Amino acid sequence: DVKVTQSSRYLVKRTGEKVFLECVQDMDHENMFWYRQDPGLGLRLIYFSYDVKMKEKGDIPEGYSVSREKKERFSLILESASTNQTSMYLCASSSSGSGHEQFFGPGTRLTVL
Amino acid sequence: GQQLNQSPQSMFIQEGEDVSMNCTSSSIFNTWLWYKQDPGEGPVLLIALYKAGELTSNGRLTAQFGITRKDSFLNISASIPSDVGIYFCAGRAGGTSYGKLTFGQGTILTVHP
Repeated sequence: DVKVTQSSRYLVKRTGEKVFLECVQDMDHENMFWYRQDPGLGLRLIYFSYDVKMKEKGDIPEGYSVSREKKERFSLILESASTNQTSMYLCASSSSGSGHEQFFGPGTRLTVL
Repeated sequence: GQQLNQSPQSMFIQEGEDVSMNCTSSSIFNTWLWYKQDPGEGPVLLIALYKAGELTSNGRLTAQFGITRKDSFLNISASIPSDVGIYFCAGRAGGTSYGKLTFGQGTILTVHP
């Protein structure tokens, strides 16, 4: 079974803190993605990575950065958390050699106070 | 970023009824995917479609890849309470870098016993 795991299901942080969200996949997928999900706005792509150390901006990269040092792990970093970054964060991965179906982790619900 | 037009936005139905939802795009897609998201969880892939006109079933679920390649439909027959959740369509355009998907905004399904 395909498996994407995220380091935390729930996280509460204070404004200005640096926040790390970790995602690990065990499917040897080349591509990994970070989305945020807000009511009425659907899934919005923050960043994605197509190889180790490679990254590209998605639709809403401002306020975020990412790191991919190993193929299986993709980290999302909030350099200085703000209240408008309170959201559900979803990680996904896909293989370049298949139909590009993305498989999602369970999500991290982040609250910034 | 581009969004797909997914309708309806929400549905309230009785157990046993059939459900239909659809997604349309102004662009041609090479792949259509349908996901279901349970409350507090990440989306789970239900059906993947790769060819125009393709009709694929997964249990009580049936999805079709529109002939124009600009739309897709999902039908659920004889709904049950565990069908409750948010259903997302997603499309991948030809030449899209690294499997990026465009998502619909979701259909919220409520099933009354």
